[in-house]
Amino acid sequence: EVVMTQSPATLSVSPGERATLSCRASQSITGNLAWYQQKPGQAPRLLIYNASTRATAIPARFSGSGSGTEFTLTISSLQSEDFAVYYCQQYNNWPPLTFGGGTKVEIK
Amino acid sequence: EVQLVESGRDLVQPGGSLRLSCAASGFTFSNFWMTWVRQAPGKGLEWVANIKGDGTETYYVDSVKGRFTISRDNAKNSLILQMNSLRAEDTAVYFCARVATVKGGGWFDAWGQGALVTVSS
Repeated sequence: EVVMTQSPATLSVSPGERATLSCRASQSITGNLAWYQQKPGQAPRLLIYNASTRATAIPARFSGSGSGTEFTLTISSLQSEDFAVYYCQQYNNWPPLTFGGGTKVEIK
Repeated sequence: EVQLVESGRDLVQPGGSLRLSCAASGFTFSNFWMTWVRQAPGKGLEWVANIKGDGTETYYVDSVKGRFTISRDNAKNSLILQMNSLRAEDTAVYFCARVATVKGGGWFDAWGQGALVTVSS
């Protein structure tokens, strides 16, 4: 099983600042990684797939990078609606499909 | 517009059974792999099971193998999760989602709103 580890668990950021979230895989997953955003009481929303491709209607301030075992989600200038929990998910080696534990982005 | 709507949320005793349904609309249901993902209260996301578009392939996380069954009725655009021998640790919100890729392993590009399953005596 590929274990996904996200860091930090919580990230405190001021509106307008840049946020950098990390996701590490226990073995190489090439570029087979997705990122999701989840707000309280809501379903997750797909942001990024194939490590760096933005999903439909996702603003350009969200960008993904990385390959192999190290991946990054960057939010270039945080808006109020971006405060949420973010999860990475690998789909290179399955079953099982596995998620990271999440990073909560909170208002500083 | 793609829509996924779960139903079947309930409180059930340990050892009991429950059937969740997910009604799909806005896309050709039979063309897509579908999945169930769950989230225990205050916890992260956990993949549960996948099923191929024609229903001929299914995959499960180890913790539910032999207890849960994923199935689909393409004539009714419906995804099903039959859950038997339920345990307290199965308590979670269960989301159905669409797999975006033609392979079973992929990302999930559309999600339902979730159905809460509580296993407690």
